Amino acid sequence: KQEVTQIPAALSVPEGENLVLNCSFTDSAIYNLQWFRQDPGKGLTSLLLIQSSQREQTSGRLNASLDKSSGRSTLYIAASQPGDSATYLCAVRPGGTSYDKVIFGPGTSLSVIP
Amino acid sequence: IAGITQAPTSQILAAGRRMTLRCTQDMRHNAMYWYRQDLGLGLRLIHYSNTAGTTGKGEVPDGYSVSRANTDDFPLTLASAVPSQTSVYFCASSPGHHSNTEAFFGQGTRLTVV
Repeated sequence: KQEVTQIPAALSVPEGENLVLNCSFTDSAIYNLQWFRQDPGKGLTSLLLIQSSQREQTSGRLNASLDKSSGRSTLYIAASQPGDSATYLCAVRPGGTSYDKVIFGPGTSLSVIP
Repeated sequence: IAGITQAPTSQILAAGRRMTLRCTQDMRHNAMYWYRQDLGLGLRLIHYSNTAGTTGKGEVPDGYSVSRANTDDFPLTLASAVPSQTSVYFCASSPGHHSNTEAFFGQGTRLTVV
């Protein structure tokens, strides 16, 4: 059974720092992995999607990497800003017959201090 | 309508009552999903639909039913609500069975069963 974990559970950094959020999954047979952000009381906003054949994706100050063999993905945020404060979730879409059952990690709560 | 719309945004419901949460998307996505999000448990899949006319059970389907009469709508019904169904419910959609499919989420329905 696919399990997804995220470390750390919470992170507080001063504005301007570069930071890395980690996501681990137990079964490397995945279709893709997606990173989301969730603001308090809001829905999920898609940040980046990495296909199983890709190793990284970039969007602005965000860079996500994928290492299927080790079951890990990282989300790198450059020059953090207070507006980056949110919960970040990774989600794995399994391969095979479980394709439709996307599994979410518990999230990392990020606080960027001005 | 742009993207995914959920209704209502919040609801207080007496235990034992029947309730339908509505979800509509205008992106012509084939796949749709219902999740519940609970503190400490993260996002868990309730039911999903690959395409109009088909549905499947997720991780926590008991007490819920869904239907997919057409591409755009995917209502979630609680036949007889119980307090443990107090949660925030998110509807999501994605284009379909493709490795680069990206999931989009609604803003959520906050349900309190008393």
